[in-house]
Amino acid sequence: GIQVEQSPPDLILQEGANSTLRCNFSDSVNNLQWFHQNPWGQLINLFYIPSGTKQNGRLSATTVATERYSLLYISSSQTTDSGVYFCAVRYGGSQGNLIFGKGTKLSVKP
Amino acid sequence: ETGVTQSPTHLIKTRGQQVTLRCSSQSGHNTVSWYQQALGQGPQFIFQYYREEENGRGNFPPRFSGLQFPNYSSELNVNALELDDSALYLCASSLTGGAGETQYFGPGTRLLVL
Repeated sequence: GIQVEQSPPDLILQEGANSTLRCNFSDSVNNLQWFHQNPWGQLINLFYIPSGTKQNGRLSATTVATERYSLLYISSSQTTDSGVYFCAVRYGGSQGNLIFGKGTKLSVKP
Repeated sequence: ETGVTQSPTHLIKTRGQQVTLRCSSQSGHNTVSWYQQALGQGPQFIFQYYREEENGRGNFPPRFSGLQFPNYSSELNVNALELDDSALYLCASSLTGGAGETQYFGPGTRLLVL
């Protein structure tokens, strides 16, 4: 099956700093989503981005499908950005379900 | 707010018991997927329901079963609970046949098996 690897596994930032999270995947995908899981467990949709670039406020994401990676950029980080960021992909063999990476745990310090 | 709701929010059971978790999908969505998230891990796919039938299953034993109702809501049933079943159970709704088929997750049910 497809492998989804996220890096770094842990990231500690000072408030106001910028960061880049990476997601590598081992096969062609037809769906890629980025999520933020808050401390209460809620998975919050950030981007649906199987290819191309999108921006939403301080967050942006880029997926280069031909090179099998996606990047999530967080600018001017805030303490409320803390949590775990997951990349999840769907591919032809996954019968519609999402395959998640192990996540990047982000801690933003005031 | 995704419009996906789950109940109950928390549950404590003992080994060997049975449990039923419930999920109401977002308005306009016709597909529900269930995931299990163990502590410190990413969610793992259990199964998906579309048009009231199972439409794909992950690597989970048959004691994990489900239903989807005509209003697209869904249940996850787990029989003969084991300690390792302790986890956060997430459901996601989506629109099969819609553009992108983005999945939207509910707040989850935390299950503790003692």
